[in-house]
Amino acid sequence: KNQVEQSPQSLIILEGKNCTLQCNYTVSPFSNLRWYKQDTGRGPVSLTIMTFSENTKSNGRYTATLDADTKQSSLHITASQLSDSASYICVVSPKAAGNKLTFGGGTRVLVKP
Amino acid sequence: EPEVTQTPSHQVTQMGQEVILRCVPISNHLYFYWYRQILGQKVEFLVSFYNNEISEKSEIFDDQFSVERPDGSNFTLKIRSTKLEDSAMYFCASSALRGDTEAFFGQGTRLTVV
Repeated sequence: KNQVEQSPQSLIILEGKNCTLQCNYTVSPFSNLRWYKQDTGRGPVSLTIMTFSENTKSNGRYTATLDADTKQSSLHITASQLSDSASYICVVSPKAAGNKLTFGGGTRVLVKP
Repeated sequence: EPEVTQTPSHQVTQMGQEVILRCVPISNHLYFYWYRQILGQKVEFLVSFYNNEISEKSEIFDDQFSVERPDGSNFTLKIRSTKLEDSAMYFCASSALRGDTEAFFGQGTRLTVV
């Protein structure tokens, strides 16, 4: 069964600090891996999309990495801001499945001043 | 910036009643989706729709669910006879193409079945 697991479930960081979120997946073969940001009660918003041949992709202070051999991805947040408080969700698109996406459970990040 | 809009933002309905959740996808997009998120759980795929027909659906999307694109702009999800376990946040999404293209999500409709 295709699964996406994330760690940690939640974390608290101080404003200005960096953090790294982890994602492990069993989806195979896969087309692409995405990271979404979801504010409470809102829809997910895309941060990055990486195909299996890409190792890293950045979007401002967000940098995602992908190791397709070990089926692991990470999302690094640099110089966190209060507005970064949200859930960060790792999402995998199985090959030939289009946008029939498999979602992880998310990591809830709280940035404190 | 174009966005996916959903109405209503919150719907309360009695068990056994029919509900219709509405979505206006981004205007030049061709693929449309419904996802749901039960409180505290992962977002789950329900159905994808292209060229006026369902292209894929999950096990969750049983006979009580249906989707429709009644005109050129709206995309609806109908739940025929709601159950308590249908209470969830329902997200509509759209994408320009299939495959490695970004899916844009709406803000969601929170459905509460009482």
